[in-house]
Amino acid sequence: GDSVTQMEGPVTLSEEAFLTINCTYTATGYPSLFWYVQYPGEGLQLLLKATKADDKGSNKGFEATYRKETTSFHLEKGSVQVSDSAVYFCALSRDYKLSFGAGTTVTVRA
Amino acid sequence: DAGVIQSPRHEVTEMGQEVTLRCKPISGHNSLFWYRQTMMRGLELLIYFNNNVPIDDSGMPEDRFSAKMPNASFSTLKIQPSEPRDSAVYFCASSLGFPSNYGYTFGSGTRLTVV
Repeated sequence: GDSVTQMEGPVTLSEEAFLTINCTYTATGYPSLFWYVQYPGEGLQLLLKATKADDKGSNKGFEATYRKETTSFHLEKGSVQVSDSAVYFCALSRDYKLSFGAGTTVTVRA
Repeated sequence: DAGVIQSPRHEVTEMGQEVTLRCKPISGHNSLFWYRQTMMRGLELLIYFNNNVPIDDSGMPEDRFSAKMPNASFSTLKIQPSEPRDSAVYFCASSLGFPSNYGYTFGSGTRLTVV
C-alpha cells in the first residue's frame, strides 16, 4: 500500500538557518504530494503541494520538488524564523485518501 | 469563511461514558473526514463521507465508534462506551472533491481524555 517516510525529529535550529526535512514515499502510479504544518494546539494546515513529477510547490518561503526518480518530496526553507516552529507532515493522496508521514517537530531558537 | 468548526475543543470524561464530538464543515465542501491523532499511531483516517454518505469506515477501530452526517453542514463522532485508550486528538476535515486538487481543510481538533 501507499506509505510516506519522513526524517525523524526533533529538529532544532537557530533563526536564519537552512531547514531541510526529508520525505520519501512508496506508491504505485503518480500520487499527489503535500506538506502540511501543525502549530501548537491547532489543526493541520496545507503548506504546499505538487500534483505531478518535477512540479515544485512553494509557499511562505518553503519549497518542495516532486522527484519521481527518487520518490522524494523534501521540504526546504532557506532562512527559518521562530514562527516556523511547528510539526511538519508529508502526505500523499490517492483518490480521497491522504496518507501522512509520522511528522517532524521543528523548533527554531532566537 | 469560518473554516471547519469542531466542538468541544477539550473533553475529559470517565471511562464508560458516552462521548460525542461535533463538526461543521466548510460550506460547499462535499467530502468530510474524521481523523484520530496519537503519538503512537500518528494520524489515522477513521471515516470518510461523500455527499453525506459514509463511503469508507474501515478505519473505525471498534463498534464502540460510530459517525453520522445527517446533513451537509453537520457531522458527529460518537464513542460509547469510552475507554482510556481512546484518549487522542480527533480532527475533522473537509474538502471539495478529491484532495489531489485541493487538499483538506482541517478543524482545530478535539482533545479527548478518558480517565
